[in-house]
Amino acid sequence: DAGVIQSPRHEVTEMGQEVTLRCKPISGHDYLFWYRQTMMRGLELLIYFNNNVPIDDSGMPEDRFSAKMPNASFSTLKIQPSEPRDSAVYFCASSFGGPYSNQPQHFGDGTRLSIL
Amino acid sequence: AQKVTQAQTEISVVEKEDVTLDCVYETRDTTYYLFWYKQPPSGELVFLIRRNSFDEQNEISGRYSWNFQKSTSSFNFTITASQVVDSAVYFCALSPLNAGGTSYGKLTFGQGTILTVHP
Repeated sequence: DAGVIQSPRHEVTEMGQEVTLRCKPISGHDYLFWYRQTMMRGLELLIYFNNNVPIDDSGMPEDRFSAKMPNASFSTLKIQPSEPRDSAVYFCASSFGGPYSNQPQHFGDGTRLSIL
Repeated sequence: AQKVTQAQTEISVVEKEDVTLDCVYETRDTTYYLFWYKQPPSGELVFLIRRNSFDEQNEISGRYSWNFQKSTSSFNFTITASQVVDSAVYFCALSPLNAGGTSYGKLTFGQGTILTVHP
């Protein structure tokens, strides 16, 4: 089975530009998570969806960030306008259960984002 | 703002040794949840435990035990008689608890501790 697929793997862009990160979860999983990982902050849960519906976006840093899940097999995380402090590795994960269930979350390989 | 600190970046032990992973947290919330997750080399994130801030009882599950001390803002995790299969990255995490007793989704993780258990 294919795992969680994220694209692009790397993104380098100038500040002020719009950035769109994409994720295809594992087929059949009903939860999808977006995380951000930096050296300073470690791993942060940004938002998660259940059956394509955003359940909690309290981890989203500010209005410049938005996430959508138009269907069960696709999600996007958008940053507009991007800033250098957004530079991080962004992970998408999916699972059968929520963040507090005993079902493991399967992570994608991440998108390494650099904002110049 | 909340913060979770796992001071041990990497720990290496030999099988059957006991090992303790430290976790110290900061939060202004009076009620909150604490968690431990395991991320084995295969990459998935596995939930291990959730603890309410108002329940300071220590917990044991097989070879795993957790020591929660609110006075020192610590939630340490001990593996007894470690095994090679315990090799993984372990994350401690924190989320606020609202008045209704359900957690927000705002999970804050520590930097993670890489545990390597050698045969």
